[in-house]
Amino acid sequence: DIQLTQSPSFLSASVGDRVTISCRASQGISNYLAWYQQRPGRAPKLLIYAASTLQSWVPSRFSGTGSGTEFTLTISSLQPEDFATYYCQQLNNYPRTFGQGTTLDIK
Amino acid sequence: QITLKESGPTLVKPTQTLTLTCAFSGFSLDSSGVGVGWIRQPPGKPLEWLSFIGWDDDKRYSPSLKSRLTITKDTSKNQVVLIMTNMDPVDTGTYYCARTVVPAKVGFDYWGQGILVTVSS
Repeated sequence: DIQLTQSPSFLSASVGDRVTISCRASQGISNYLAWYQQRPGRAPKLLIYAASTLQSWVPSRFSGTGSGTEFTLTISSLQPEDFATYYCQQLNNYPRTFGQGTTLDIK
Repeated sequence: QITLKESGPTLVKPTQTLTLTCAFSGFSLDSSGVGVGWIRQPPGKPLEWLSFIGWDDDKRYSPSLKSRLTITKDTSKNQVVLIMTNMDPVDTGTYYCARTVVPAKVGFDYWGQGILVTVSS
């Protein structure tokens, strides 16, 4: 299985801050990586696929970069609705593993 | 409008078999490239990918659970069924079904609301 390691696991930040979440794959996955946002008690929502392509509903303050084994999710200016848990998922091999998640909370 | 909804028992006893149904609308599992997957999440823990079935009846399973899982589809009813045998309390969690488009490798673009399954005697 391909392992995905997210860092940090927890991140405290303030509204307006710029934050970056990292996702590292145990082997190369080209750009076959997705990011999800999950709010408490809700199903995850697809944010980004192909490492950098935003879903239509996603504000432009979100961006994704990376290829191979190193990926990042950046939120340029945090808004109150962005405080949630974020997961990466690799789409290169089966099983389509997820990272362990990064919880973003309000400082 | 694409929707998915999970249904099944919310309480099962250890060693019992869990049968979950994903009923969907707004797309067809006859369409080339479309697939449905199952993902679970124990309380307070990360997402875990379980299984997938594609339009072409391609089936995939988590290696750690492969011996306990069976996934099937009924395209006439727009349903996907996941069977998990020999349930254990560690299998407690929210089970989601979600749609994907395989060739595009977009991930799961539509999710059900999830069903919380508790395994307890």
